[in-house]
Amino acid sequence: AQSVTQLDSQVPVFEEAPVELRCNYSSSVSVYLFWYVQYPNQGLQLLLKYLSGSTLVKGINGFEAEFNKSQTSFHLRKPSVHISDTAEYFCAVTPAGGTSYGKLTFGQGTILTVHP
Amino acid sequence: DAGVIQSPRHEVTEMGQEVTLRCKPISGHDYLFWYRQTMMRGLELLIYFNNNVPIDDSGMPEDRFSAKMPNASFSTLKIQPSEPRDSAVYFCASSTTRPRSTDTQYFGPGTRLTVL
Repeated sequence: AQSVTQLDSQVPVFEEAPVELRCNYSSSVSVYLFWYVQYPNQGLQLLLKYLSGSTLVKGINGFEAEFNKSQTSFHLRKPSVHISDTAEYFCAVTPAGGTSYGKLTFGQGTILTVHP
Repeated sequence: DAGVIQSPRHEVTEMGQEVTLRCKPISGHDYLFWYRQTMMRGLELLIYFNNNVPIDDSGMPEDRFSAKMPNASFSTLKIQPSEPRDSAVYFCASSTTRPRSTDTQYFGPGTRLTVL
């Protein structure tokens, strides 16, 4: 089984400041990793994903994440945030193959609030 | 593409009533997922289908919940009888492994269920 821990439930930050949202996971098998964003009253939208290859993954809206296998982490970063980045962010994992393939396990979410 | 379509967007009902939530996945997608989101429990996977066949329903809370996928373009999640603790936002998502896996789940806008 997999589990995901998002270390911060809320992250307030000022506009144009950098931000890091932390995610750690636990799994006995290889996994694929995802970050999703949820704007108020909307469904989830994929920001980026790590399947294999380069451990630095770039996504939409200027976000990037780095997969660190030794630390079982997949932290999300953005060098300069905008007001429009205010949303809830979810880290998720799924087994890379096997009978549970496709089954996402989500973290509890991190609410990012960008202040002017 | 219209994306994943869910109906209704909002549902208010009284305890004991039957509730049916509907989902139309993205055309061509062979996986369909039902999630529930609450403040207390976050995002929970309830059940998922592959090629219209239920693969894992271990997240279905109890016998009051049932889900069907009679064809590739339609799925329902039914709660009978409904209880106040079922109040949540229910999301449907779909993904594909054809012609090659994208591993990305596309979420619908959700159905906000309130049971009085």
